[in-house]
Amino acid sequence: AQSVTQPDARVTVSEGASLQLRCKYSSSVTPYLFWYVQYPRQGLQLLLKYYSGDPVVQGVNGFEAEFSKSNSSFHLRKASVHWSDSAVYFCAVSMGANSAGNKLTFGIGTRVLVRP
Amino acid sequence: GALVYQYPRRTICKSGTSMRMECQAVGFQATSVAWYRQSPQKTFELIALSTVNSAIKYEQNFTQEKFPISHPNLSFSSMTVLNAYLEDRGLYLCGARSGVSNERLFFGHGTKLSVL
Repeated sequence: AQSVTQPDARVTVSEGASLQLRCKYSSSVTPYLFWYVQYPRQGLQLLLKYYSGDPVVQGVNGFEAEFSKSNSSFHLRKASVHWSDSAVYFCAVSMGANSAGNKLTFGIGTRVLVRP
Repeated sequence: GALVYQYPRRTICKSGTSMRMECQAVGFQATSVAWYRQSPQKTFELIALSTVNSAIKYEQNFTQEKFPISHPNLSFSSMTVLNAYLEDRGLYLCGARSGVSNERLFFGHGTKLSVL
């Protein structure tokens, strides 16, 4: 069974600073990897996903993530955050083409607070 | 574009009563629907996967007797929380995707369930 670890429960950054959110996964094979964002009082929105190929994937709103097979990681980054990036960010994995995007296993989430 | 609507957005029910929530896919055919629950201060747990013309698969700790799901066509799914108690509180998310391999899940905004 796969699992996802997000070691940072909360991250506080100043507006304009860079942001990195860590995600490590445990799986017998390389899974499909996702980052979702949950804005206050809302559901989930997909930021980006990785299936194969270039390990650095670009997402919406200036986010990118880098897959590392050797480290079993899929860290999320943004060069310069805005106050509107305050939200909870979830890393998620799924297994196999037939279930890709369906049976997602989520991390516990990292709450990001951007200070003005 | 592809959208998923969930109804209601918020609901309150008395302990021991039941509550039905709906999920509507717009702009694509929802061959697969996944229902998740986010309990307070926790991450998202998969309740069940529903694929049209296939049996609904429930995850461990979730049963059809407690969370009956209907997926009658390619645009609609509903789930009922029977005999709701405090531990059933949370945000219930519907995620739907079409049958194309690697197609991602589109999530609704969720139904927030409070139990008195």
